[in-house]
Amino acid sequence: DIQMTQSPSSLSASVGGRVTITCRPSQGISYYLAWFQQKPGKVPKLLIYAASTLQSGVPSRFRGSGSGTDFTLTISSLQPEDVATYYCQSYNSAPQVTFGGGTKVEIK
Amino acid sequence: EVHLVESGGDLVQPGGSLRLSCAASGFTFGNYAMSWVRQVPGKGLEWVSSISGSGGYTYYADSVKGRFTISRDNSKNTVYLQMNSLRAEDTAVYYCAKDHWQQLLPSHLNDYWGQGTLVTVSS
Repeated sequence: DIQMTQSPSSLSASVGGRVTITCRPSQGISYYLAWFQQKPGKVPKLLIYAASTLQSGVPSRFRGSGSGTDFTLTISSLQPEDVATYYCQSYNSAPQVTFGGGTKVEIK
Repeated sequence: EVHLVESGGDLVQPGGSLRLSCAASGFTFGNYAMSWVRQVPGKGLEWVSSISGSGGYTYYADSVKGRFTISRDNSKNTVYLQMNSLRAEDTAVYYCAKDHWQQLLPSHLNDYWGQGTLVTVSS
């Protein structure tokens, strides 16, 4: 089974600050990596897929990069509405469809 | 606008059964694979199962294989999850989600999610 190691598990940053979250699959998944945002009490929202493709309507301050076994989600300028838990997900093949443990992002 | 509404969540005893439903609207249902993903309250996400648009291909997480069955009725725009031999560790909010791509087989990349339905397995 693929394990998705996501780090850090939580972070706090200032408004306008830069946030970086990493996701490392236990085996290569090419570019089959998505990032989701889940605000408190809300449903997960797709932000990025294919490692770096921004889902329609997602602000350009969100950026994804990487391939294989090393991926990164960057928020270039953190906004108050970005407070959420972020999950990475591998989706290359079932049953190895796996989510990372999540990163809780807060405002400092 | 895509709309997914889950129902059927309940309190059930260990070993019991439950069937979840997800009614879809706002897109050509039969052209898209659908998935179920669960989340223990306050915890992370776990993919459970996916089904192709035609219903001919199904996929399961190892944790539910042999106990859960996914199906769909394209005439009713509804996907189901039949859950048997339920265990305490199946307690979670169950979300149905639409596949992002219009293609034969599931990509397991989900762009729209329902609000979820809570399943509690406890005696």
